[in-house]
Amino acid sequence: QVQLVESGGGVVQPGGSLRLSCAASGFPFSSYAMHWVRQAPGKGLEWVAFIYYDGSNKYYADSVMGRFTISRDSSKNTLYLHMNSLRADDTAIYYCAKDAGGYDTIDYWGQGTLVTVSS
Amino acid sequence: QSALTQPRSVSGSPGQSVTISCTGTSSDVGGYNYVSWYQQHPGKAPKLIIYDVSKRPSGVPDRFSGSKSGNTASLTISGLQAEDEADYYCCSYAGSYTWVFGGGTKLTVL
Repeated sequence: QVQLVESGGGVVQPGGSLRLSCAASGFPFSSYAMHWVRQAPGKGLEWVAFIYYDGSNKYYADSVMGRFTISRDSSKNTLYLHMNSLRADDTAIYYCAKDAGGYDTIDYWGQGTLVTVSS
Repeated sequence: QSALTQPRSVSGSPGQSVTISCTGTSSDVGGYNYVSWYQQHPGKAPKLIIYDVSKRPSGVPDRFSGSKSGNTASLTISGLQAEDEADYYCCSYAGSYTWVFGGGTKLTVL
């Protein structure tokens, strides 16, 4: 079955950096596009970033453009989110999510990793 | 990339039906038949319950149904059960490989 396991969350100071990882299993990782979605405490879901199945194209929400970078390593079945210039409003649970295959929907989610930006 | 508009909360008694609306624009909900709905229980990851406006993934009860008219999509849950109490989020493809979620609706089963 599809498994997505995020790691790398923690507490970071404003202006700092963090790298999140997502270990994927149970499906051919190199054949599927992937997403990052976040959820601030007590708030709704916000789409963050998307990467093609082969890593050739990447897209971002305006709120993170220029600060976050999505990447993937198919040899390790791992998705990454590099976050720079972190702000307090980046505090959230970050979910790794699998695209269904037609770029039309997200079908599986990880359990998330909490990022807290605070001094 | 403005969030889609959902009611903050809805409620219903066991056995009743409830409908949750999700209003966007012609650039997202109205422009594509790529609306999904997710169920999220407290402390859990979201679960896909409807995709492509009205399709149900295998294993999702047929009590859950989706539709769309213009810029507004809807999720209907019939025969409400206690376990349906959760937060529900709509999501639409918004073009240029971007997606937008609704603000979420808390469903209370009375």
